[in-house]
Amino acid sequence: EPEVTQTPSHQVTQMGQEVILRCVPISNHLYFYWYRQILGQKVEFLVSFYNNEISEKSEIFDDQFSVERPDGSNFTLKIRSTKLEDSAMYFCASLRDQTYEQYFGPGTRLTVT
Amino acid sequence: LAKTTQPISMDSYEGQEVNITCSHNNIATNDYITWYQQFPSQGPRFIIQGYKTKVTNEVASLFIPADRKSSTLSLPRVSLSDTAVYYCLVGVLNNAGNMLTFGGGTRLMVKP
Repeated sequence: EPEVTQTPSHQVTQMGQEVILRCVPISNHLYFYWYRQILGQKVEFLVSFYNNEISEKSEIFDDQFSVERPDGSNFTLKIRSTKLEDSAMYFCASLRDQTYEQYFGPGTRLTVT
Repeated sequence: LAKTTQPISMDSYEGQEVNITCSHNNIATNDYITWYQQFPSQGPRFIIQGYKTKVTNEVASLFIPADRKSSTLSLPRVSLSDTAVYYCLVGVLNNAGNMLTFGGGTRLMVKP
């Protein structure tokens, strides 16, 4: 069964550093998402991406965040200047069509020290 | 987005049927009901989706009464590996793809 992959599985960075989290969505999917989950808390929507542009974003997704689909396969989330409160699991998801059946990746655990 | 209410936690034993009910009193005509499952340190996984009446797949059944103000996820004969958090989500499909709004979910603990 096809799956969403994410790299790295764990990223440790210092406050103020830039990080790029990478995702390879399922190949024939059209909609792409980033979510995050702070330890012990709810899964929170960050951003959705369709047709090479952001379609929706949450209040969390401020100017420090950006997304890119640099080629036909990768989907990246960049945090320009990390803060301690950015420490969380970051999940990428992709969707083929207009349903709610999103496929989530295994996540990247980001630790900001 | 319609607000959902579900129990914070439930306990069950292996082999039992588990029913998790979700209330969504303000569900709109165009809203669909979707359930996800999340194991610790993993991404959520789609279980089932429905609009009305009953939907069944190889994993679960989803029962939706005529007024659609609630729904019940039914897991037949649970095993220890069904221990997870189960999320009920309600929302409308749209052309730009569908962001998911997760609540706190129901933490199901299956005991031997």
